[in-house]
Amino acid sequence: EAGVVQSPRYKIIEKKQPVAFWCNPISGHNTLYWYLQNLGQGPELLIRYENEEAVDDSQLPKDRFSAERLKGVDSTLKIQPAELGDSAVYLCASSQPNTGELFFGEGSRLTVL
Amino acid sequence: AQSVTQPDIHITVSEGASLELRCNYSYGATPYLFWYVQSPGQGLQLLLKYFSGDTLVQGIKGFEAEFKRSQSSFNLRKPSVHWSDAAEYFCAVGVPGGSEKLVFGKGTKLTVNP
Repeated sequence: EAGVVQSPRYKIIEKKQPVAFWCNPISGHNTLYWYLQNLGQGPELLIRYENEEAVDDSQLPKDRFSAERLKGVDSTLKIQPAELGDSAVYLCASSQPNTGELFFGEGSRLTVL
Repeated sequence: AQSVTQPDIHITVSEGASLELRCNYSYGATPYLFWYVQSPGQGLQLLLKYFSGDTLVQGIKGFEAEFKRSQSSFNLRKPSVHWSDAAEYFCAVGVPGGSEKLVFGKGTKLTVNP
C-alpha cells in the first residue's frame, strides 16, 4: 500500500515568490492534514480536511496561505507571497475516521531566500 | 485545549543502555496519546498509541510506553538502545471522540553513542 506522497521534497525560492505543495493521501483516507514544522519544533496544524471540506483552518494564515482539496483526494497548499519566516517543512498527513492514527508523508522542505 | 510538554530537548545514551523519554500532557480527561519518531529528512512514523485499557502499551522497534493518569504522563521506554534509534521523538495528544487533531510536543532529539 502506498503511503502519503508529497512533492516537491525540496524547494528554494526568493521572498515574495509564490510556491505550491502537493499531497496525495493514502487511498481511502477521508481526513487530510497540513502541518507546519519549524526547525527544532514539533508539527503544528495548519488545516484539516474531512473529504473536500476544510473543517479546521483556524491556524492557517489566510492572508498569504491557501489550500484546496478538490474531489476529496489530493490537496494543494499554496503560499503567495512567501516570506523569509515561511522557511520550514510542510508535512501532509492522512487518516481514516475515528482511528486517531495519522500517517505522514516525508514533507516538503521550503527555503525562502 | 490539550497541550504536551517534552521536558528534554536532547538526550544522549550509549548503545545498549536503557532509554526513557518523558512526556507530560494537559487535558481535562483521558486523551489519546501517541509517540512518533522522525529520522532526519523523513516524515513521522507512529511508534505506539494509547486509547484506553492496559496502561502499558507495546509499540514497534521494541519501544513501550506507560500511561500514568496521576502524573499526566506517557513516558516512552526501551530497555536496550540501538544506534539506529538515533532520531527525534515526538509525543502527541488527541481528543477522544472528537476530531483526529493531534497536538505535538516540541520533540526530544536522541543521540546514541557507540
